[in-house]
Amino acid sequence: DSGVTQTPKHLITATGQRVTLRCSPRSGDLSVYWYQQSLDQGLQFLIQYYNGEERAKGNILERFSAQQFPDLHSELNLSSLELGDSALYFCASSAVGASTEAFFGQGTRLTVV
Amino acid sequence: GESVGLHLPTLSVQEGDNSIINCAYSNSASDYFIWYKQESGKGPQFIIDIRSNMDKRQGQRVTVLLNKTVKHLSLQIAATQPGDSAVYFCAEYYTGGFKTIFGAGTRLFVKA
Repeated sequence: DSGVTQTPKHLITATGQRVTLRCSPRSGDLSVYWYQQSLDQGLQFLIQYYNGEERAKGNILERFSAQQFPDLHSELNLSSLELGDSALYFCASSAVGASTEAFFGQGTRLTVV
Repeated sequence: GESVGLHLPTLSVQEGDNSIINCAYSNSASDYFIWYKQESGKGPQFIIDIRSNMDKRQGQRVTVLLNKTVKHLSLQIAATQPGDSAVYFCAEYYTGGFKTIFGAGTRLFVKA
C-alpha cells in the first residue's frame, strides 16, 4: 500500500459528461501529481500541485482541470468527456516539490461510453 | 519534443536468470533517470534512480547503468523472481521542470 488513496476505483460515464476524480496523498506529502495512462500513450504527465499551488503542467487538455485543497487532497475534473478520454488516471504524491520518487495510488479507471 | 522510449516491449526470462531492460532517452538536460515497476492492477512503484552525472548505481538486486554518450539507460535485475513480473518504465526528471516523463514500458515475464 503506497498510502495514496484514489476514489472512485472505477467510473463509467457517457460522452459529454463531467466527472471528478479524487486523490488523498500520503500523510505529510505536499506534492500531488496526476497522470493519464492509456494503451497507446503510456503514462502521460498532466499536472502537479505543491502545497496548494500549481507547480508544473504537462499535456493537460483545456477540458481538464485540477486543484489541491488546503487539506492537501486533490481533485481532477474532466469535462465534455470524449471516448478517447477513457483511461486509467493515476495520482501520485511526494514529500517535496522536486522529487524523483513519487508514490502512486491504484488509479481510477474511467470508461466513457 | 521530450520523449523516453524503450528498445524491447516484452522480455521473457527464466527464474533465477538475470534480466536486462533497456531504454533510450532524448532529453540531454534531464537531471535524473528513474525506473518504475508497475504490477498488474497497481500504480507504478519507484525502484531506483540515477543522477545524470553518474554512470552506475546499485540497489537491492538491481543495478542501473547510464551511458550518456549514446543516451542509453538500462536496468539489471539479478536472480529474477516470479514477483519481478511486471511492466518496467524508464523515466526522466528535469529538476527545473518539476515533472517526470515516462517511457512506453517493457513487460517482463518470469518463467518458473
